[in-house]
Amino acid sequence: AQKVTQAQTEISVVEKEDVTLDCVYETRDTTYYLFWYKQPPSGELVFLIRRNSFDEQNEISGRYSWNFQKSTSSFNFTITASQVVDSAVYFCALSENTGNQFYFGTGTSLTVIP
Amino acid sequence: DTAVSQTPKYLVTQMGNDKSIKCEQNLGHDTMYWYKQDSKKFLKIMFSYNNKELIINETVPNRFSPKSPDKAHLNLHINSLELGDSAVYFCASSIRDRDTEAFFGQGTRLTVV
Repeated sequence: AQKVTQAQTEISVVEKEDVTLDCVYETRDTTYYLFWYKQPPSGELVFLIRRNSFDEQNEISGRYSWNFQKSTSSFNFTITASQVVDSAVYFCALSENTGNQFYFGTGTSLTVIP
Repeated sequence: DTAVSQTPKYLVTQMGNDKSIKCEQNLGHDTMYWYKQDSKKFLKIMFSYNNKELIINETVPNRFSPKSPDKAHLNLHINSLELGDSAVYFCASSIRDRDTEAFFGQGTRLTVV
């Protein structure tokens, strides 16, 4: 079973629109960690944010914000006033308490149209 | 200073050859990983090492053999390369304390012709 599901395969928005990327996870651990990574066209994987299962406080960092809801097992990511440079593939990831690996979703490809 | 570096960045080789990808991290992390990213961008764990010990070995053909000479290095050797091995291979490292992210290398794009 897929532990991390990103139902949106591809999203296109016009520059300056807001966009939310969805992530749903599955785990039986009570302690776990969630992450978002960005993979721009250049190919590297860039870490954006992490959250542990005990910290449901949502966060805003510049144009980025994250919404962590344990009740729905979701960890969504919003970009406000999108820019062309935001065009990338975004991955949600989960690490469980056993901590032997990071489980990645299938990624959401975001295209911001100028 | 590069945190996780892997070489080479590009590797083009013929079927049947043997090749190696090297990975080094200077972050003092105790856990290192190899991930494979296929053409659909799916990232799949191949191997995970903690303090030089193999802790995850997913269903990977035994043509793939990781080697960790010390905690800072995790190399990947591939024998008898096949067309289906073409992918981007990422090395990563982290600290075993789970509340840390994984740091990734730049990736190695392997093309088997």
